[in-house]
Amino acid sequence: AAGVIQSPRHLIKEKRETATLKCYPIPRHDTVYWYQQGPGQDPQFLISFYEKMQSDKGSIPDRFSAQQFSDYHSELNMSSLELGDSALYFCASSLTGGLSYEQYFGPGTRLTVT
Amino acid sequence: AQSVTQPDIHITVSEGASLELRCNYSYGATPYLFWYVQSPGQGLQLLLKYFSGDTLVQGIKGFEAEFKRSQSSFNLRKPSVHWSDAAEYFCAVGALLTGGGNKLTFGTGTQLKVEL
Repeated sequence: AAGVIQSPRHLIKEKRETATLKCYPIPRHDTVYWYQQGPGQDPQFLISFYEKMQSDKGSIPDRFSAQQFSDYHSELNMSSLELGDSALYFCASSLTGGLSYEQYFGPGTRLTVT
Repeated sequence: AQSVTQPDIHITVSEGASLELRCNYSYGATPYLFWYVQSPGQGLQLLLKYFSGDTLVQGIKGFEAEFKRSQSSFNLRKPSVHWSDAAEYFCAVGALLTGGGNKLTFGTGTQLKVEL
């Protein structure tokens, strides 16, 4: 079965640079979520999109922005990177119109800021 | 706002022994509850979920969990642990979003070590 695809899997950036993370949800899933997991921490909700509209926003810095495109893939744009942005970034998708609301997670993008 | 507490940061069990990982949640309405497992450097895999109905839910890999509303708990159990179960386990509560979908709030996780 198709899973959530994230690219790149690993990314190394320097401070003050920008980064773009991509997420391709499971086909027919209409909702995409982004989570940030710092070292040794639990995943923290950043932002979500339902049918290409932002549905909720969590603890996402103003330096970050995201959007969902017409083909339902999503991109997380991160600017003015800081050392503290080093983390594992997960994308998840769900089918909101379904009977369950389970989220399926991608393998994550490991961002290292030096 | 919803929250999840996993009181045990680390648990060590012997292979073949039974396992129970504790999870307590706080949520104003009927919760959507999940258990995820994460191996080092890997993504999160859904083990099981509870939305409604039977309070004892079965999941993958022989895991089960019991929802107890009176105790605000959703403990994960396995009768006989295998060495491959060593991983980090996250309990999560989902809150429906008016804009669509649901937002997961995770506990801090329990690191399971299995002794051979």
